[in-house]
Amino acid sequence: QKEVEQNSGPLSVPEGAIASLNCTYSDRGSQSFFWYRQYSGKSPELIMFIYSNGDKEDGRFTAQLNKASQYVSLLIRDSQPSDSATYLCAVSGGMNTGFQKLVFGTGTRLLVSP
Amino acid sequence: DVKVTQSSRYLVKRTGEKVFLECVQDMDHENMFWYRQDPGLGLRLIYFSYDVKMKEKGDIPEGYSVSREKKERFSLILESASTNQTSMYLCASMNNPGANVLTFGAGSRLTVL
Repeated sequence: QKEVEQNSGPLSVPEGAIASLNCTYSDRGSQSFFWYRQYSGKSPELIMFIYSNGDKEDGRFTAQLNKASQYVSLLIRDSQPSDSATYLCAVSGGMNTGFQKLVFGTGTRLLVSP
Repeated sequence: DVKVTQSSRYLVKRTGEKVFLECVQDMDHENMFWYRQDPGLGLRLIYFSYDVKMKEKGDIPEGYSVSREKKERFSLILESASTNQTSMYLCASMNNPGANVLTFGAGSRLTVL
């Protein structure tokens, strides 16, 4: 089992729709959860981070965390073609691994069609 | 904003050459990281450093070494480059203490012939 799993996609949504990106992780000791966006040929850039169970909203983006289910998701409302990118889920290591070490999923490619 | 600068955007080297990839951050962060990114494998941690002259192996350290002589600079060294080290190399810096947010440099795409 991979430490952080994401569906590789592509996830295709029409402009204006809600895109839902999902991620599961295996280390129950993980404390911090991150979503990065990566455009083709560019480096990852942080969209959001979340530590506590529940929802965290920032503009069109909502991160959702369920530690009991070891599940984190990212919702993008009113999707735009400029949101087309690969979205990387990252999870901090637990106490044994080290909290500074982030483990990344392989990413979900999102395509938003006009 | 934190700026992480990688010295070379594109490099082409020959098998057996020694390769230096340099990374500088400007926010006095203690933690710095080197990842490589390959299609289908995602980002994999090579080495990280939590202080000057301190380093820890990541998940794939074989064939690599690192140097951190100054707080702002973290170098990745390929002692004898091989074709399987052709990859995108990403340096990152982490705020401390704090949210454990990684800020990445623009990346260095290395091709080993």
